[in-house]
Amino acid sequence: AQTVTQSQPEMSVQEAETVTLSCTYDTSESDYYLFWYKQPPSRQMILVIRQEAYKQQNATENRFSVNFQKAAKSFSLKISDSQLGDAAMYFCAYRSVFTGANSKLTFGKGITLSVRP
Amino acid sequence: DAGVTQSPTHLIKTRGQQVTLRCSPKSGHDTVSWYQQALGQGPQFIFQYYEEEERQRGNFPDRFSGHQFPNYSSELNVNALLLGDSALYLCASSRGQGYDGYTFGSGTRLTVV
Repeated sequence: AQTVTQSQPEMSVQEAETVTLSCTYDTSESDYYLFWYKQPPSRQMILVIRQEAYKQQNATENRFSVNFQKAAKSFSLKISDSQLGDAAMYFCAYRSVFTGANSKLTFGKGITLSVRP
Repeated sequence: DAGVTQSPTHLIKTRGQQVTLRCSPKSGHDTVSWYQQALGQGPQFIFQYYEEEERQRGNFPDRFSGHQFPNYSSELNVNALLLGDSALYLCASSRGQGYDGYTFGSGTRLTVV
């Protein structure tokens, strides 16, 4: 079974600065998908960024980028130019590439990010 | 374009009662998954419905059951409620296998007293 670990329960960043959120995972599969989701106080999970394990290039979405280290099974999220609206809980999630019975998302426990004005 | 809609937003039930939560998927999505999120924790997978059948199930007891209707909407039923069932229940929809990711609703906050 796959596991996702987010060992930092809380992090804080100054507005306009850069912050990196860590995530490690464990799997015996060679191909899979990794996601970062943001959950603001509104409770809705919002997809931030998605990485396909077979792709060497790290995914980027505007101010959000990942550092994907497949051998180390590490998947960190970097937020540049942090904004007050980035304050939320962030979850790292894993999904197998296999169809049907393995299409669930496995989440970590999450990191609470606060942004100081 | 409407996203995922869940109802009700909040619910208080007494231990031993039964509850039904509802989810309407995003337009164009045909697969619905349900997750339970305890306070301060990550979501835990309950089950997934596709073509009106349960395709996959997580480690949840039979007290948790579901249904998917022909219009792809879904219900989550929990019988014989326990205090430990208090949580945020999230519905996520996707197109097919969800390789592009899932669209989540804002959840139903269930409190069992």
